[in-house]
Amino acid sequence: TQLLEQSPQFLSIQEGENLTVYCNSSSVFSSLQWYRQEPGEGPVLLVTVVTGGEVKKLKRLTFQFGDARKDSSLHITAAQPGDTGLYLCAGARSSSNTGKLIFGQGTTLQVKP
Amino acid sequence: NAGVMQNPRHLVRRRGQEARLRCSPVKGHSHVYWYRQLPEEGLKFMVYLQKENIIDESGMPKERFSAEFPKEGPSILRIQQVVRGDSAAYFCASSPVWTVEMNTEAFFGQGTRLTVV
Repeated sequence: TQLLEQSPQFLSIQEGENLTVYCNSSSVFSSLQWYRQEPGEGPVLLVTVVTGGEVKKLKRLTFQFGDARKDSSLHITAAQPGDTGLYLCAGARSSSNTGKLIFGQGTTLQVKP
Repeated sequence: NAGVMQNPRHLVRRRGQEARLRCSPVKGHSHVYWYRQLPEEGLKFMVYLQKENIIDESGMPKERFSAEFPKEGPSILRIQQVVRGDSAAYFCASSPVWTVEMNTEAFFGQGTRLTVV
């Protein structure tokens, strides 16, 4: 069973469209992070959210942490081909005191020009 | 991936050989995590180490896999008698001391792609 469910797993859209990626769990997380990974590279941290209901913006990317700290979303406005990549959510569980991360399966995004 | 160095980037081993993966954390970071990623999947936690101590190895197979983070030198993930199913990308992440309150961020290396033939 997957502790963090990401959806959709694959997304192919045209440049200029908006999209939302979801990360859901039945467990509570002390923090949740979003990463972007290029082929052949390691994950690069985009944002960390720690407070229930928190919203963070990074240019055209908007991240939200659910009120109960069990879910999160990533919204991209006016997607560009440069946004293409694998997006991963990862959480540190409240019950853990080690900082190890639980990762979702990832969302592969393709933005066509 | 600010400063975490992993080598080699690519490693090919025949079945039955040993694979040694190295990770040098960001300078000053005393905590190292190893994760494994299969194609088109997210990362799976393997082991968490501090200098000279294994803190959590709950994600590491009990047979053939071992990890260390010595007082001096890089962290090593060792896989003995590799099998085809060990083929994956192995990522190391490092962080300074971690607490729930601090929610310290971890930085990932570029990974080692292990191929077992």
